[in-house]
Amino acid sequence: EVQLVESGGGLVPPGGSLRLSCVASGFTFSSYWMTWVRQAPGKGLEWVANIKEDGSEKYYVDSVKGRFTISRDNAQNSLYLQMNSLRVEDTSVYYCVRGNSGSYWGQGTLVTVSS
Amino acid sequence: DVVMTQSPLSLSVTLGQSASISCRSSQSLVHRDGNTYLIWFQQRPGQSPRRLIYKVSDRDSGVPDRFSGSGSGTDFTLKISRVEAEDVGVYYCMQKTHWPPYTFGQGTKLEIK
Repeated sequence: EVQLVESGGGLVPPGGSLRLSCVASGFTFSSYWMTWVRQAPGKGLEWVANIKEDGSEKYYVDSVKGRFTISRDNAQNSLYLQMNSLRVEDTSVYYCVRGNSGSYWGQGTLVTVSS
Repeated sequence: DVVMTQSPLSLSVTLGQSASISCRSSQSLVHRDGNTYLIWFQQRPGQSPRRLIYKVSDRDSGVPDRFSGSGSGTDFTLKISRVEAEDVGVYYCMQKTHWPPYTFGQGTKLEIK
């Protein structure tokens, strides 16, 4: 069974940093692109970033470029999102997603940026 | 960026009746490889999104055949036949033909009348 378990969310002041993690199981992690998608409270879905199987390619939505970094550790079946210079508008549930087509989603981790 | 526009944004349907959700893209979603990468997701209240349909009309494993996708180019439709109580939630379309970024529609909220 495919499982994606996110962690690392919490309350952080504007300008602060947070690192999200996602541990994958039930599939060959190193064979899949991985994606982060976020959802602001009561709002729709927004694609944030994705990373190629071997980590050699990474892409970001414009609003997070230069502030967020996606990475992975295939030996640990783990995906990460380092978030720096956080803004109030980054407040969202962040989902870890397998692949580029949204086939499997984690339960999400809530990031709240507030003073 | 490709803009995805869904309509209606909310839908109230009687149990057993059908529901249709439209999704329009600001440019054709036909990829140079000939495929059309239009995906539909369902998000039930309090849950993570779940993929229902990929490449316009291919249904995911375990998705009831009451759900069907159709369309081409820039116009796409998700149809739910014989709506059941468990279908309540928000439905999103997403394109992955022209990326980055992948882009979602605003979502359509389905409720039971």
